[in-house]
Amino acid sequence: SQTIHQWPATLVQPVGSPLSLECTVEGTSNPNLYWYRQAAGRGLQLLFYSVGIGQISSEVPQNLSASRPQDRQFILSSKKLLLSDSGFYLCAWSVGTGVLEPQHFGDGTRLSIL
Amino acid sequence: GESVGLHLPTLSVQEGDNSIINCAYSNSASDYFIWYKQESGKGPQFIIDIRSNMDKRQGQRVTVLLNKTVKHLSLQIAATQPGDSAVYFCAQEAEKLTFGTGTRLTIIP
Repeated sequence: SQTIHQWPATLVQPVGSPLSLECTVEGTSNPNLYWYRQAAGRGLQLLFYSVGIGQISSEVPQNLSASRPQDRQFILSSKKLLLSDSGFYLCAWSVGTGVLEPQHFGDGTRLSIL
Repeated sequence: GESVGLHLPTLSVQEGDNSIINCAYSNSASDYFIWYKQESGKGPQFIIDIRSNMDKRQGQRVTVLLNKTVKHLSLQIAATQPGDSAVYFCAQEAEKLTFGTGTRLTIIP
């Protein structure tokens, strides 16, 4: 069966510090991968998605970037964090494009910027 | 733009009763709809989905109803249990997945 892992579960970082959040998927090949941010009491905002290694699409211009160095690895990064980057970050995967299948989520990273 | 909204931000239900959570969507081109359950501190968990060529789909204790005429989606949970306490999101897929803001379901013992 497929599983998705995100780490760390919680992170406290000072303003201006770099960020690297990692997500890996097991049990499937060539998945679509997604990074979302969830603000308190709000829906999920899509940040980035990837349909293959090295292929990244950005949905919202911001202080963050994403990379996919391997088929089942998706990384969310920042060179300098802002206070507004605080939030709950979720990684998700789905079966490849053109198939109506749900996205499956990891358990997220709670990021607090001080 | 697309929007997906839920009718009520909170819902309290007596344990053992049925729960109905509603969702309205704006994009009539959506061909796929999903319900997720999110417990505190965790990621959304897939519950059930429905394609636009259907109006009803049943799972274990859950039923999703789709009314394309009024662009309305609902999730029915039978015999609600304490473990059903969570935030429930609907999502619609057109070119991308768009999520509602969620309904917090609280079970009264």
